[in-house]
Amino acid sequence: KNEVEQSPQNLTAQEGEFITINCSYSVGISALHWLQQHPGGGIVSLFMLSSGKKKHGRLIATINIQEKHSSLHITASHPRDSAVYICAVPYSGGGADGLTFGKGTHLIIQP
Amino acid sequence: DTGVSQDPRHKITKRGQNVTFRCDPISEHNRLYWYRQTLGQGPEFLTYFQNEAQLEKSRLLSDRFSAERPKGSFSTLEIQRTEQGDSAMYLCASSLGTGTPSYEQYFGPGTRLTVT
Repeated sequence: KNEVEQSPQNLTAQEGEFITINCSYSVGISALHWLQQHPGGGIVSLFMLSSGKKKHGRLIATINIQEKHSSLHITASHPRDSAVYICAVPYSGGGADGLTFGKGTHLIIQP
Repeated sequence: DTGVSQDPRHKITKRGQNVTFRCDPISEHNRLYWYRQTLGQGPEFLTYFQNEAQLEKSRLLSDRFSAERPKGSFSTLEIQRTEQGDSAMYLCASSLGTGTPSYEQYFGPGTRLTVT
């Protein structure tokens, strides 16, 4: 079973700051998922990546397969980015099964 | 709305009662997942279907839990003899794919279960 560690667990920053959230996992994977969850809300998929880097607006996700590590960056952070960000990988490393999730990073961006 | 839907959104039940939740995935998605999320924690994998076949169950899915996807479309998750520890958000997700690559999962809004 894959184990996922995220850091930091909580992060408070000022509007405009560059944010980095880290994720490491224990078993080789086909792809890693970054998800966003607002308080009381559902989960939205932000990225799924298996190598290199992906960018969507102010969000950038990178992955290093050899080191079993991924990072999620937010540039020019805004209060509306406040949410829980969750890293997830396939339960047993492959892709057809369910996901194992990190505990999430609770991000607060203050105006 | 063509997203994943779950019903009910909230359920309050007394300990010892049985409850059943329903998930309707995105219509063309062949894979369906159930997860459970307790307060302050990330979701935990419960079980996974490809079409109507239940291919994997986690050890969290005790004998009191059963899931079905009879026609490869909607799915139900039943909890028998509920316990207070079953109180959680039950999330359903679906994806479209074949083979082993990982595919993006689309999550429903969840069913919040409170056992009193």
